[in-house]
Parts: sequence; structure tokens; C-alpha cells
Amino acid sequence: KAGVTQTPRYLIKTRGQQVTLSCSPISGHRSVSWYQQTPGQGLQFLFEYFSETQRNKGNFPGRFSGRQFSNSRSEMNVSTLELGDSALYLCASSSVGGALNYGYTFGSGTRLTVV
Amino acid sequence: AQKVTQAQTEISVVEKEDVTLDCVYETRDTTYYLFWYKQPPSGELVFLIRRNSFDEQNEISGRYSWNFQKSTSSFNFTITASQVVDSAVYFCALSINSGGSNYKLTFGKGTLLTVNP
Repeated sequence: KAGVTQTPRYLIKTRGQQVTLSCSPISGHRSVSWYQQTPGQGLQFLFEYFSETQRNKGNFPGRFSGRQFSNSRSEMNVSTLELGDSALYLCASSSVGGALNYGYTFGSGTRLTVV
Repeated sequence: AQKVTQAQTEISVVEKEDVTLDCVYETRDTTYYLFWYKQPPSGELVFLIRRNSFDEQNEISGRYSWNFQKSTSSFNFTITASQVVDSAVYFCALSINSGGSNYKLTFGKGTLLTVNP
């Protein structure tokens, strides 16, 4: 069974640009969550999608957005990039999402560097 | 609000030593779920265990064991006879089963474990 696939693995962008990251969940999983990991703030929840609906959103500015497609693949977009957006962005999939699921499966992440 | 505290930022041990990683959590909810994840240098988070708030039984899986104590709001993780391959960052996380917070994990800051040969 293929795992969670995140593309690209590495990305370098310039301040002010926008970026789109992609996540393909495990086949059959309908919930996709996104997390930002930085040395200072640690792992922080961005948002969660289930069946194309956003069910929860973390405390991030509106520059961070996401969406989920009918095949459960998800994308997150960051507009007007700032240096502080440099981070490892992790995607997690689960069958139904929420606390009731047995565990989230994470991808290897996309490492974004903003220069 | 939920909070997870991993007071140990870094731990260094010699191979074959036992090591315990501490995790203390805060939540007002009576139904919640606790997780441990391992993050090797490659970056992905590897699921280790999930425990719900109604199950205080300790669990052992090979060299890994977990001690869940609701009285002290702790969910500690012990590696017995550590190996170099155990070197990684370990995260404790909490999820509650209520409303909009149902769909996210609140992570601790992580503990970097280095096992030296």
C-alpha cells in the first residue's frame, strides 16, 4: 500500500512569491491534515479536510489556504511568501480523521525555503 | 485549550541504556487521545502508539513501553536497551474529541534522542 506522497520534497522561493504544495493520501483515506514544522514553533496544525470540506483550521494568516479534490488529494497554497514561512510542511492522512481514528500517517514533507 | 509539554529537549545515552521520554498534557476534556510519533532525520513522522483516556493500561511493544497515568496527566515512553537506530526526535501529541478541535493533533516540542555506540 503506497504511503502519503508529498511533492515536491524541496522548494526554494523568493519573498513575495506564492507556492503550492501537494499531498496524495493513502488510497481510501478521506481525511488530509497539514502541519507546519519550524525550529521555533515546533509542529503546528494548519488545516484539515475531509471529503473536500475544511473541518478545522489552525491559527495561521489568510495567506495560508488549502483545498481537497474529489480524489482526496490535497493542495496547500501560501501567497506572498515571507522569510518566516520557511519550514517543513507535513501532510497527514487518515481514514476518517479526528480523534477516533487509530493514527495519522504522515508524508515525508516538503521543505520550503524562502529567500 | 490543549497543551503538551515535553520538558526534555535533548537526551544522549550510550547504546543498551534504558531511556524514558517524559510527556505531560493538559486538557479539560474527559475524552482524549494521546499519541507518540518518531521523526528520523528523513523527516516523516512515524506513528508509534495511540492511547485513549479511558484505557490506563500500560503497553509494551518489544523494546518500547508506555506508562499512562491520568492522575499526573503523563504519558511517558521508555526504550529499553536503546540502539543507535532509535536516534530520532520523539513527539508526544494530544487530540480531543469535541467540536472543531476534533480534527487536529497538538504536539509537544519534541525530544531529540541520541544513542551513541
